[in-house]
Amino acid sequence: AQKVTQAQTEISVVEKEDVTLDCVYETRDTTYYLFWYKQPPSGELVFLIRRNSFDEQNEISGRYSWNFQKSTSSFNFTITASQVVDSAVYFCALSEARDDKIIFGKGTRLHILP
Amino acid sequence: DAMVIQNPRYQVTQFGKPVTLSCSQTLNHNVMYWYQQKSSQAPKLLFHYYDKDFNNEADTPDNFQSRRPNTSFCFLDIRSPGLGDAAMYLCATSRDLGSRRSDTQYFGPGTRLTVL
Repeated sequence: AQKVTQAQTEISVVEKEDVTLDCVYETRDTTYYLFWYKQPPSGELVFLIRRNSFDEQNEISGRYSWNFQKSTSSFNFTITASQVVDSAVYFCALSEARDDKIIFGKGTRLHILP
Repeated sequence: DAMVIQNPRYQVTQFGKPVTLSCSQTLNHNVMYWYQQKSSQAPKLLFHYYDKDFNNEADTPDNFQSRRPNTSFCFLDIRSPGLGDAAMYLCATSRDLGSRRSDTQYFGPGTRLTVL
């Protein structure tokens, strides 16, 4: 069965600090996709990244970076030099290649304090 | 800009009074999804369409129905809303990659439903 665990329910950091959001997943498939979505207070789920299981290269996009490690079944998300606008709930999600659905983790609520 | 649009953003209805939420998309995606998200929870899939092929989740209450008259539009009908149906309703779309596989899901801004 598929499963996504985001152990951190809520995190608070002071602006300009770096913060890492953890995501651990379970799947029996060898082909799968991992996602991160951001949900600001307005409610819209904003797509951040999609990674397939065959690509373990880390990704950097501006202040955002992602560390995918199949050996530990983790897909962690780091925000460097955090800003107040980064305050949101972040969801990690998993989709198996043979399926048409995505399984969300429970989300991590991130507070960036000015 | 190509996008997923949901109307209205906020909907108030009375207990038992039918309500319809709408979703439209300019992405020309043939897969559309409806999710329910309650406070501090992850989105929960209610149903989805591959073109006009409707797929209901096993635990979606009968109270929830959906219509997809064409590629661009999809509606969520709640026949007799209860207090427990108050939630954010999110619409999403994705491309069909064939063999019942879908691509990244792109979400609309959601409709927040209040039931009085």
